Amino acid sequence: ILNVEQSPQSLHVQEGDSTNFTCSFPSSNFYALHWYRWETAKSPEALFVMTLNGDEKKKGRISATLNTKEGYSYLYIKGSQPEDSATYLCAPRKNTGNQFYFGTGTSLTVIP
Amino acid sequence: EPEVTQTPSHQVTQMGQEVILRCVPISNHLYFYWYRQILGQKVEFLVSFYNNEISEKSEIFDDQFSVERPDGSNFTLKIRSTKLEDSAMYFCASSEGAWTEAFFGQGTRLTVV
Repeated sequence: ILNVEQSPQSLHVQEGDSTNFTCSFPSSNFYALHWYRWETAKSPEALFVMTLNGDEKKKGRISATLNTKEGYSYLYIKGSQPEDSATYLCAPRKNTGNQFYFGTGTSLTVIP
Repeated sequence: EPEVTQTPSHQVTQMGQEVILRCVPISNHLYFYWYRQILGQKVEFLVSFYNNEISEKSEIFDDQFSVERPDGSNFTLKIRSTKLEDSAMYFCASSEGAWTEAFFGQGTRLTVV
């Protein structure tokens, strides 16, 4: 069991606003952190895999940072669009075993 | 684009019945997983499978559950004697390596009545 917390639980933003949310996890035995985007009735879609402290990844308007020493990751969305509406899940992995430990997710709704 | 497919998309079963959830992982992937999400709760790990055997399982994955790769393409989760609390969305995933990203199917919604 790994205690993974995501905040906020849900978020409503206007189209064009930038937003960010947090994933926090125990820093001991850390191996990697995955971010997934999950739209209703679809499969979770892999966004980023990060392993090193200070890692920053970017995909279009979405970016993520990682701090393994303090055990958190931020996901940023610049200029949110309605199609960004989804639940964003983080999933750290330990260096023992290969399972993902999912957070509860942040549900993002972008209002046109 | 290759994808993980799961069937059926929705299954309703009577309490005490056995169900088999089916998954076709991405063809060159070697690691397979089952996760589930009970409504309103976190996605929970059930089991991982590699080289025709279970490599890791959670405390949820008790004797009621079993997994199998009956042929070169399918990966199944069997739940014997289903209980009401088994109602959840069950996700299959596969990955190329032990530490690479996993690709998820769309899930099977299991409803036990």
